[in-house]
Amino acid sequence: AQTVTQSQPEMSVQEAETVTLSCTYDTSESDYYLFWYKQPPSRQMILVIRQEAYKQQNATENRFSVNFQKAAKSFSLKISDSQLGDAAMYFCAYRSGPNSGNTPLVFGKGTRLSVIA
Amino acid sequence: ETGVTQTPRHLVMGMTNKKSLKCEQHLGHNAMYWYKQSAKKPLELMFVYSLEERVENNSVPSRFSPECPNSSHLFLHLHTLQPEDSALYLCASSHGQGSLTGELFFGEGSRLTVL
Repeated sequence: AQTVTQSQPEMSVQEAETVTLSCTYDTSESDYYLFWYKQPPSRQMILVIRQEAYKQQNATENRFSVNFQKAAKSFSLKISDSQLGDAAMYFCAYRSGPNSGNTPLVFGKGTRLSVIA
Repeated sequence: ETGVTQTPRHLVMGMTNKKSLKCEQHLGHNAMYWYKQSAKKPLELMFVYSLEERVENNSVPSRFSPECPNSSHLFLHLHTLQPEDSALYLCASSHGQGSLTGELFFGEGSRLTVL
């Protein structure tokens, strides 16, 4: 079974600074997806960024980027130019590849990010 | 109109009550999911539904029973719950097998309190 580990329960960052959230995972599969979701106090889980395992290039979405190290099974999220609205719980998640059927997301325990003005 | 809608947003019930949570998706997906989110615990998958199959987590007590009448609607029927069942229940949907993006789309959750 796949597992996802987020070793940082809480992180804080100064506004406009950069922060990196860590995530490691364990799998024997070669084809899979990795995600970072954000859950603000409004509770709705919002997709931040997605990475397909077959892609060597790290995904980027505006101020958000990942460092995907497939051999090390590491998938960290970097938030640049942090904004107050980035404060939320961040969840790293794993999903088996498209040929594995309707597999669910496997989540880490989350990292609570605070942004200091 | 949001993609995945959950009702009610908040629910308080006694241990002898019977209630239901409802989820509706307008995204044309054919897979739907129930997750349970408790404080200081990882999100726990409860059920997966698709046109093809239902996948059930064996650790889900029978006091929770899902119903998926069609690909757009998902229910979670609740009866004789325990206080430890108090949690945020999240519904999600996705494209089914063969999806190229793999992501799940979530509703805003139903906050359940069992007295």
